[in-house]
Amino acid sequence: NAGVTQTPKFQVLKTGQSMTLQCAQDMNHNSMYWYRQDPGMGLRLIYYSASEGTTDKGEVPNGYNVSRLNKREFSLRLESAAPSQTSVYFCASSEWGGPNYGYTFGSGTRLTVV
Amino acid sequence: ELKVEQNPLFLSMQEGKNYTIYCNYSTTSDRLYWYRQDPGKSLESLFVLLSNGAVKQEGRLMASLDTKARLSTLHITAAVHDLSATYFCAVDITNDMRFGAGTRLTVKP
Repeated sequence: NAGVTQTPKFQVLKTGQSMTLQCAQDMNHNSMYWYRQDPGMGLRLIYYSASEGTTDKGEVPNGYNVSRLNKREFSLRLESAAPSQTSVYFCASSEWGGPNYGYTFGSGTRLTVV
Repeated sequence: ELKVEQNPLFLSMQEGKNYTIYCNYSTTSDRLYWYRQDPGKSLESLFVLLSNGAVKQEGRLMASLDTKARLSTLHITAAVHDLSATYFCAVDITNDMRFGAGTRLTVKP
């Protein structure tokens, strides 16, 4: 039962570098999400994808782009990393209806921008 | 704008004691979640509350939802050390789940 898989688990970037965080789910969920978690705060939604082929901004989208590559995969890209983007990033997926509802989270990517 | 407020933010308890964590939210929603997070780990789903008056229990934890008061509670009964973690409530409005800041619970012998 892999659930939601994120890579990498840790990353250090220099200011201005770019990188892509990868996320894949094997539960056949339609919706996928990217959150960031900063110390002393709950998770904040960056972007989400309600279904394959669609993406929408969340609460804190600035400085990020996303791609819903297919139903399984949803990537998050930082084009020009800034120290303010130092955070822990969580990918999640969800499905509604039937006995299975709610969100399943990946194990997180700890990103440091220096 | 949907706001979710938890209190307390920090809670230190003695083993065997009872306590309640409160979660208030500002906009009508029928979906309220409670999650547990251990240090350095991901979020583990504890409860999903889908309707007014919903009550769910798992072991020493019980969650309830009052949609009219926009309030959910997480009650801890006879706390044990293994319950030490950060607990988050979250409210979902169609693909926009907003989290509270979390309650860091420490259970001491």
